[in-house]
Amino acid sequence: AQKITQTQPGMFVQEKEAVTLDCTYDTSDQSYGLFWYKQPSSGEMIFLIYQGSYDEQNATEGRYSLNFQKARKSANLVISASQLGDSAMYFCAMREANAGNMLTFGGGTRLMVKP
Amino acid sequence: DTGVSQNPRHKITKRGQNVTFRCDPISEHNRLYWYRQTLGQGPEFLTYFQNEAQLEKSRLLSDRFSAERPKGSFSTLEIQRTEQGDSAMYLCASSSPTLNSGANVLTFGAGSRLTVL
Repeated sequence: AQKITQTQPGMFVQEKEAVTLDCTYDTSDQSYGLFWYKQPSSGEMIFLIYQGSYDEQNATEGRYSLNFQKARKSANLVISASQLGDSAMYFCAMREANAGNMLTFGGGTRLMVKP
Repeated sequence: DTGVSQNPRHKITKRGQNVTFRCDPISEHNRLYWYRQTLGQGPEFLTYFQNEAQLEKSRLLSDRFSAERPKGSFSTLEIQRTEQGDSAMYLCASSSPTLNSGANVLTFGAGSRLTVL
């Protein structure tokens, strides 16, 4: 089974609108961390936001928020007020406590922001 | 410190040749990771070091792949007898668990793109 599933290969959003990128995960660990990274065309992976499995509140970082639904094993990324510079690949990733320090990535979602 | 540095950024080689990539991590980071990313896929973990110790290497793709971090600073990833299937982006990342209150966020370099003809 896939550890991290991102079901949207590509998404369009109008500039200034909000968009949600989906991520579901599979783990039997109680302790794990969830990450979102952005990869623009230049290739560098840019860290956006982190959610620990024991965190009570959803993580937020500026225009990014993580909609963490533990029972459903989902960790969707919400980007508010989209900007043209948000156009990029977005990857969800998980670190499990019993998997050392390995990050497992999903297949990514390409976000395209329309002017 | 300007982040994680990787060299070369691009490498084109002929099948059967050996290639080596270098990664210079953020100086205060004691952990260093190598990932491979093929076109249209997410990064795939290869190996990682804590200081000079290679703590996980079972995910290296074959015995043609090897990595070193001799002094606990920069690291090299070598691929021997390259094959066309080795064509990919090789990403390096570093982290320091003590700096992120448990999140252990990985900071990635821009990657080294390998093309095997």
